[in-house]
Amino acid sequence: QSVLTQPPSVSAAPGQKVTISCSGSSSNIGNNYVSWYQQLPGTAPKLLIYENNKRPSGIPDRFSGSKSGTSATLGITGLQTGDEADYYCGTWDSSLSVVFGGGTKLTVL
Amino acid sequence: QVQLQESGPGLVKPSETLSLTCTVSGGSISSYYWSWIRQPPGKGLEWIGYIYYSGSTNYNPSLKSRVTISVDTSKNQFSLKLSSVTAADTAVYYCARAPSGYYVSGSSNYFYYYMDVWGKGTTVTVSS
Repeated sequence: QSVLTQPPSVSAAPGQKVTISCSGSSSNIGNNYVSWYQQLPGTAPKLLIYENNKRPSGIPDRFSGSKSGTSATLGITGLQTGDEADYYCGTWDSSLSVVFGGGTKLTVL
Repeated sequence: QVQLQESGPGLVKPSETLSLTCTVSGGSISSYYWSWIRQPPGKGLEWIGYIYYSGSTNYNPSLKSRVTISVDTSKNQFSLKLSSVTAADTAVYYCARAPSGYYVSGSSNYFYYYMDVWGKGTTVTVSS
């Protein structure tokens, strides 16, 4: 059971938009910054979003992040087959540890 | 650019100690936090802990009694030791660089902690 709650799976057609939610509490998301990671099959996770809504260099602006209260959202527009991956949210928790969501598998139909 | 590479035995016997090293190349280990994360087969990510280059550490409460993370700045390496392993510790182990800090707003501190550079991961199997 993960501290942060994500939907197990989402799907959408190529070119469409999808959002992935990440729900937490005041102990984590509510009072700290959220990051998002993309894990393509068989590879290491890759940072997509940090500090709620900032993109590292090289991450296209099709990827966006937002936070409201104790929840965060990752948005992906102009879906491509290459976006099929597992997506994880993460943040600092007041238990003095980093916590992750259980991951969301994105299928591009 | 900074690259990380995990190394260590791929097979560890139950009750023994898992030992891994992460070598940082293309940059200095000084400054930044450095983390270990693991991923059991078919499951999600689990943060193990971090070390600052100065040597201060913080561990996942669920693993704290068995984990030790250390740093060797002269070799640009940091290491993980996990004692008394069981089959439940079988996983891909990743090392990562972790920018971390906090912003102050009013009377509150808001922490940021994220992993921006990851190693490719190394699979560790616990089995006799």
